[in-house]
Amino acid sequence: DVKVTQSSRYLVKRTGEKVFLECVQDMDHENMFWYRQDPGLGLRLIYFSYDVKMKEKGDIPEGYSVSREKKERFSLILESASTNQTSMYLCASYSPRQGTSTDTQYFGPGTRLTVL
Amino acid sequence: GQNIDQPTEMTATEGAIVQINCTYQTSGFNGLFWYQQHAGEAPTFLSYNVLDGLEEKGRFSSFLSRSKGYSYLLLKELQMKDSASYLCAVRDDYGQNFVFGPGTRLSVLP
Repeated sequence: DVKVTQSSRYLVKRTGEKVFLECVQDMDHENMFWYRQDPGLGLRLIYFSYDVKMKEKGDIPEGYSVSREKKERFSLILESASTNQTSMYLCASYSPRQGTSTDTQYFGPGTRLTVL
Repeated sequence: GQNIDQPTEMTATEGAIVQINCTYQTSGFNGLFWYQQHAGEAPTFLSYNVLDGLEEKGRFSSFLSRSKGYSYLLLKELQMKDSASYLCAVRDDYGQNFVFGPGTRLSVLP
């Protein structure tokens, strides 16, 4: 069974703190994604990675960085957390090489981050 | 640019049929996906269309018209557990990335 896990379900941090969110997948997928989800705005892509050490900016990368040192792990870093980064963060993984038409993303359970 | 539009909220009655529409204008297209997301949980895959027409999976069906940039998700015999958000997403030309709509929150009433 496909599995994407995230390091925390709930996290509370203070303004200015450095925050690490980790995501691990066990499906040997090439592509991994970080989204944030806010009411009325849907899922917005922060960064994605299509290979180890490769990263691409999404729609809202400002204030975030990522790291992909191993294929199964994709980390999101908030260098200096701010209150407007309070949100639900979702990680997803995906393999474009499966060769089946129903290739889909698989999502982790999400991390609800509150920045005070 | 990339734009995907869905109604924000819908309400329907248990046992009824509901249609959730999605319109898209994207720079590329390699398939349209529907996901279901219950409150506080991760999105889960529901259906996929890449060719025009209707795909049926039990109580759920999804339709695509590529020329019109339009899809809908049809839910039949609604149950209370169908109360959730429904997300429409388009996969890009290269099959590498996805663009999501804002989601439609469906409330099923008794």
